[in-house]
Amino acid sequence: AQTVTQSQPEMSVQEAETVTLSCTYDTSESNYYLFWYKQPPSRQMILVIRQEAYKQQNATENRFSVNFQKAAKSFSLKISDSQLGDTAMYFCAFIPYGTASKLTFGTGTRLQVTL
Amino acid sequence: SAVISQKPSRDICQRGTSLTIQCQVDSQVTMMFWYRQQPGQSLTLIATANQGSEATYESGFVIDKFPISRPNLTFSTLTVSNMSPEDSSIYLCSVAGGGLFSNTGELFFGEGSRLTVL
Repeated sequence: AQTVTQSQPEMSVQEAETVTLSCTYDTSESNYYLFWYKQPPSRQMILVIRQEAYKQQNATENRFSVNFQKAAKSFSLKISDSQLGDTAMYFCAFIPYGTASKLTFGTGTRLQVTL
Repeated sequence: SAVISQKPSRDICQRGTSLTIQCQVDSQVTMMFWYRQQPGQSLTLIATANQGSEATYESGFVIDKFPISRPNLTFSTLTVSNMSPEDSSIYLCSVAGGGLFSNTGELFFGEGSRLTVL
């Protein structure tokens, strides 16, 4: 069974600063995807960034980037130039390759961006 | 990406009643998923709904309590039966990326249905 751990229940960052959210996972699979999802107060889960395990290059999407350490089973999210609209719950998620696979979510990190 | 519409957005229900949540997708998809998110918690998978077959339920969830329909490739319903206050949650519909013929791993989500049971 796969597990996803987010050890930071809450974090705070000032606007324009950089923040890193941590995520570790445990799996015996060698091929899988990792994701960060954002859930603002409006509730809709939004995909922020995606990483395929076979790719060594870290994924980036504008102000969002990841530090993927496969051997350490670590997948952290860095948010640069934080904006008030980044205030949300952030969930790390894992899914092995395969059409019948299911997504496993971490417990989430609540990020508050302040002025 | 897929656009997913869920109805109702929110509802307040009486103990012992049942409520059906609808999920409509703007494109044909193979796999649809129903999640529950209890207040302040992460997402828990209730069941996977494939068109033309019975839903597959996760441990702790049963068909009598959460019957699911999947009549076609763009629509599904989840019913929460005989509700109690413990069923107060957000219920989210999601679909796998890749449409009919592949699974690209990510899920796309509806806006969720917030149920409060009194």
